[in-house]
Amino acid sequence: QKEVEQDPGPLSVPEGAIVSLNCTYSNSAFQYFMWYRQYSRKGPELLMYTYSSGNKEDGRFTAQVDKSSKYISLFIRDSQPSDSATYLCAMSGSGGSNYKLTFGKGTLLTVNP
Amino acid sequence: DGGITQSPKYLFRKEGQNVTLSCEQNLNHDAMYWYRQDPGQGLRLIYYSQIVNDFQKGDIAEGYSVSREKKESFPLTVTSAQKNPTAFYLCASRTFVWREGSTGELFFGEGSRLTVL
Repeated sequence: QKEVEQDPGPLSVPEGAIVSLNCTYSNSAFQYFMWYRQYSRKGPELLMYTYSSGNKEDGRFTAQVDKSSKYISLFIRDSQPSDSATYLCAMSGSGGSNYKLTFGKGTLLTVNP
Repeated sequence: DGGITQSPKYLFRKEGQNVTLSCEQNLNHDAMYWYRQDPGQGLRLIYYSQIVNDFQKGDIAEGYSVSREKKESFPLTVTSAQKNPTAFYLCASRTFVWREGSTGELFFGEGSRLTVL
């Protein structure tokens, strides 16, 4: 079983739709959970960050972490064409195990006007 | 503006040649990383360095070498021993999570695309 699983898509939705992106993981030591957005031919940029379990909201974006199920989600409300990008989940442990992030393979999202 | 600068953005190499990708950061970050990105493969860690003059192999270090002589710089050399070097290379840096105020966020450069002819 891979440490982090992410459906690569591609996912295509109409403008205004609610988008749900998900990752599952197997390492119970993961404490820090992040979502990165990567536009074509660019470096990834941090979109959302969550420590341990819970929800976090930032504008149209909501990140959820369920550590009991080892499942994280990113919701995008009122999706826009500018949201078209690859979304990567990433996670790391704490203390000595947090030296690196483990990434999912990314989900390619297209929002159609 | 603070950030991570990678150069060159595009690079072509003939088989059998070594090439060096530059990565410089002015964020005063402790740790620096090199990732390789291939279609459908996600980000794979090549090398990382947590302090100057020290670095560790990541998951796919074979055929690559690095140095960390300065805190700001972490160049990656793709050697002729790397069998399939054509890829998008990303450099990143972060502060340690235990530093006050740090989230451990990984900041990325804009990437270098290497093509072997």
